[in-house]
Amino acid sequence: EADIYQTPRYLVIGTGKKITLECSQTMGHDKMYWYQQDPGMELHLIHYSYGVNSTEKGDLSSESTVSRIRTEHFPLTLESARPSHTSQYLCASRQGSYNEQFFGPGTRLTVL
Amino acid sequence: DQQVKQNSPSLSVQEGRISILNCDYTNSMFDYFLWYKKYPAEGPTFLISISSIKDKNEDGRFTVFLNKSAKHLSLHIVPSQPGDSAVYFCAAKVKGGSEKLVFGKGTKLTVNP
Repeated sequence: EADIYQTPRYLVIGTGKKITLECSQTMGHDKMYWYQQDPGMELHLIHYSYGVNSTEKGDLSSESTVSRIRTEHFPLTLESARPSHTSQYLCASRQGSYNEQFFGPGTRLTVL
Repeated sequence: DQQVKQNSPSLSVQEGRISILNCDYTNSMFDYFLWYKKYPAEGPTFLISISSIKDKNEDGRFTVFLNKSAKHLSLHIVPSQPGDSAVYFCAAKVKGGSEKLVFGKGTKLTVNP
């Protein structure tokens, strides 16, 4: 059973607010990922990390930023939320040479 | 340009029958394929996977078939159960680099009692 947590699960916020979506995993996985998914659409990779102090942008351009100061923690920050940021954000992790990524429950963000 | 395509947005089957979910891909650099299952308001759950060097992988009621020449894979669920009702995503891993996953749009499976 994968142990990866995301908070909050749901967030409704006004335009212009700064928000941080939390992601933590207790499996000691070195690689972590953030995906964005709109209803009925595929998951798009927006950020990933190979390990501590490593962060890279994914395929989908995103105004969010990430940090990886600790192995288990990979938060995503939006400095100024806009309605176009409304989406579901999914965090995932995997270990070393294994291909399977394990996902958290997601955060559904609504920006008014 | 979508590299992983799931052309059927939905599929409905009777309990006890076979469910077949299909996935096509275009990128020859994919070396590993995965199926995920997703319930509403939850994250995707890993189901089964297959390496590009194989053509079949089986795990209980779930079997994945890979046809590399046709760039096609399928997930068979036998027998289907009402609890299998969910959205199923096909994903493919790019060889090397970030080893990211590229996802299809998903197929919503409904298993009717």
